[in-house]
Amino acid sequence: NAGVTQTPKFRVLKTGQSMTLLCAQDMNHEYMYWYRQDPGMGLRLIHYSVGEGTTAKGEVPDGYNVSRLKKQNFLLGLESAAPSQTSVYFCASRNIDQETQYFGPGTRLLVL
Amino acid sequence: GESVGLHLPTLSVQEGDNSIINCAYSNSASDYFIWYKQESGKGPQFIIDIRSNMDKRQGQRVTVLLNKTVKHLSLQIAATQPGDSAVYFCAETLEGTASKLTFGTGTRLQVTL
Repeated sequence: NAGVTQTPKFRVLKTGQSMTLLCAQDMNHEYMYWYRQDPGMGLRLIHYSVGEGTTAKGEVPDGYNVSRLKKQNFLLGLESAAPSQTSVYFCASRNIDQETQYFGPGTRLLVL
Repeated sequence: GESVGLHLPTLSVQEGDNSIINCAYSNSASDYFIWYKQESGKGPQFIIDIRSNMDKRQGQRVTVLLNKTVKHLSLQIAATQPGDSAVYFCAETLEGTASKLTFGTGTRLQVTL
């Protein structure tokens, strides 16, 4: 049972490039979340999903897209990366009858 | 690991002493609160939670206190150990709303020997 995993662990992009971050969970959780974490700030919610095939916007959704084609995977896409998207990205998941979210190890993204 | 929270408030505690980490939450309607611990280079890890119908909850070496009147949470760690060194976040939410957790900015706990 690996819990929540994220790939890649670290990536450097040039402004305007695109990429996809992958989150996978093996706990059969219904809900999945993408957060970003910046220095001096707590985690901020980008997008979330309450089930396969559904997504919703969080607090800071602009510049990101997501997809939940399979229950165990939640993809975060950056179509045209900007330096303001330099951050550490965390994925989380939780069961439908629990409020506690379980986090992955994070992806560190640097946009030059 | 990466630098998380370069400008976080820091609490320095000697090994063996008790630590108290405070958090002010923002939404008076929030009814569920969680404390997370984040070590360098890792994701947040659940420590303890509390619902708004309680004002105190104890775990192993940790206690969470909730004061709804002033919208304040505290995390008490007994007999602090070097392994407790990390950044601690409180988070609030409204149960049954999907939903997003709203995180505080965090406090860095440094345990000195």
